Amino acid sequence: EPEVTQTPSHQVTQMGQEVILRCVPISNHLYFYWYRQILGQKVEFLVSFYNNEISEKSEIFDDQFSVERPDGSNFTLKIRSTKLEDSAMYFCASSEVGTGGRETQYFGPGTRLLVL
Amino acid sequence: EDQVTQSPEALRLQEGESSSLNCSYTVSGLRGLFWYRQDPGKGPEFLFTLYSAGEEKEKERLKATLTKKESFLHITAPKPEDSATYLCARKGQGNLIFGKGTKLSVKP
Repeated sequence: EPEVTQTPSHQVTQMGQEVILRCVPISNHLYFYWYRQILGQKVEFLVSFYNNEISEKSEIFDDQFSVERPDGSNFTLKIRSTKLEDSAMYFCASSEVGTGGRETQYFGPGTRLLVL
Repeated sequence: EDQVTQSPEALRLQEGESSSLNCSYTVSGLRGLFWYRQDPGKGPEFLFTLYSAGEEKEKERLKATLTKKESFLHITAPKPEDSATYLCARKGQGNLIFGKGTKLSVKP
C-alpha cells in the first residue's frame, strides 16, 4: 500500500541553525501539506502546496519557514533559524485531487525535531 | 473561531466494553469530517471521512456517524489493540482543523 515517508525520523539541532525536513508523498498525489504537533497538543496546520506554489498557510508559517518541491518526488520544509519553540513533531501529508474537494489527506510517520 | 471539540479527553474501557467518542464542531456548511487514529510517536492514520448528516461508515469494530453538529465514533467490543488516540478533524479551506483527541485505553 502506498504511503508517505519522511526523513529523518529524529533531528536534534542547536537554536539558530537551519534544518530541512524531507518528505516523499504518495506518488499520484498532487496536494502536499505540512503540519506540526507540539508534545501533548493538537495537530496544527502549517502550509499546503499545489502546482509548485503555496496554496494556503497558517499564522505559524512565518518568514522562517519555506517549502519546496525540488524534484518529482521530494517535498521539503526548511526552518531557517530554529527556535526552542520549534521543537515538535512535524508531519507531512499528501492527497490526490478529489471530486468536489473530497480528497483525503494521508500522513507520514513524522520527524521529531528537538531544538536545544 | 473555528472549533473542533472532542470528548472525553481520555477513556478507559475493559475489553469488550462498547462506548462512543464525541466530536462537535462549530461551523455551518461542513466540508468534511475526518477521523484518524494516532499511536504514540506516530503519524495520524486515516479511518473515515463523513460529508453529510446521517452518513455512517464502518470498519471492523469502529463506526462513525455524523449529525449537523457532531460526529460520534462508536467502538463495539473493543480489544487492547484499539488503544490509541482518536483524532477528529474538519476540513477548512484546504487544511484540516484538528481537535485535541480522545486517548482510549482498553484493558484486557
